[in-house]
Amino acid sequence: DIQMTQSPSTLSASVGDRVTITCRASQSISSWLAWYQQKPGKAPKLLIYKASSLESGVPSRFSGSGSGTEFTLTISSLQPDDFATYYCQQYDTYEVTFGPGTKVDI
Amino acid sequence: QVQLVESGGGVVQPGRSLRLSCAASGFTFSSYGIHWVRQAPGKGLEWVAFISYDGRNKYYADSVKGRFTISRDNPKNSLYLQMNSLRVEDTAVYYCAKIGVYGAAGPGEIDYWGQGTLVTVSS
Repeated sequence: DIQMTQSPSTLSASVGDRVTITCRASQSISSWLAWYQQKPGKAPKLLIYKASSLESGVPSRFSGSGSGTEFTLTISSLQPDDFATYYCQQYDTYEVTFGPGTKVDI
Repeated sequence: QVQLVESGGGVVQPGRSLRLSCAASGFTFSSYGIHWVRQAPGKGLEWVAFISYDGRNKYYADSVKGRFTISRDNPKNSLYLQMNSLRVEDTAVYYCAKIGVYGAAGPGEIDYWGQGTLVTVSS
């Protein structure tokens, strides 16, 4: 199984901050990586797919980069609506795996 | 618009069975693979199972292999998860989740999620 790790596990930030979350895979997954945002009591929402492609309707302040085993999600200017938990997910295989999550709070 | 609506959750004793359903609408159900993903209270996302668009290929997490069975009925636009020999650690919100890749084009990102159904395994 491909293991995913994320850092940090928690991130305290302020509105307007530039925020970066890192995700690492235990083996190369090419660019088969997605990022999701989840708010309490809600289903996850797709932000980024194929490592750097922005999902339709997602604000351009979100961006993704990386390939192989190391990936990043960047929020260029944190907005009040962005306080949430973020998960990376590999889909190099049908047996997908998620990272443990990064909680972004105030 | 795409909708995925899960049902069938509830409280069940350890060792018993439960069947979850997911009703899909707003897209050509028979053309997309679907995952079940769960989330224990206060925890992260855990993949459970995947079924291909035509139902021929199924994959399971080691934690549920041999106990859970994923299936689909394309004419009814429905997905199912039969859960047997339930354990306390199966307690979670269960989401059905559609991939964004058409047909047999390979694994894809999850582009739509249902709102989830809560399964509580407790004596």
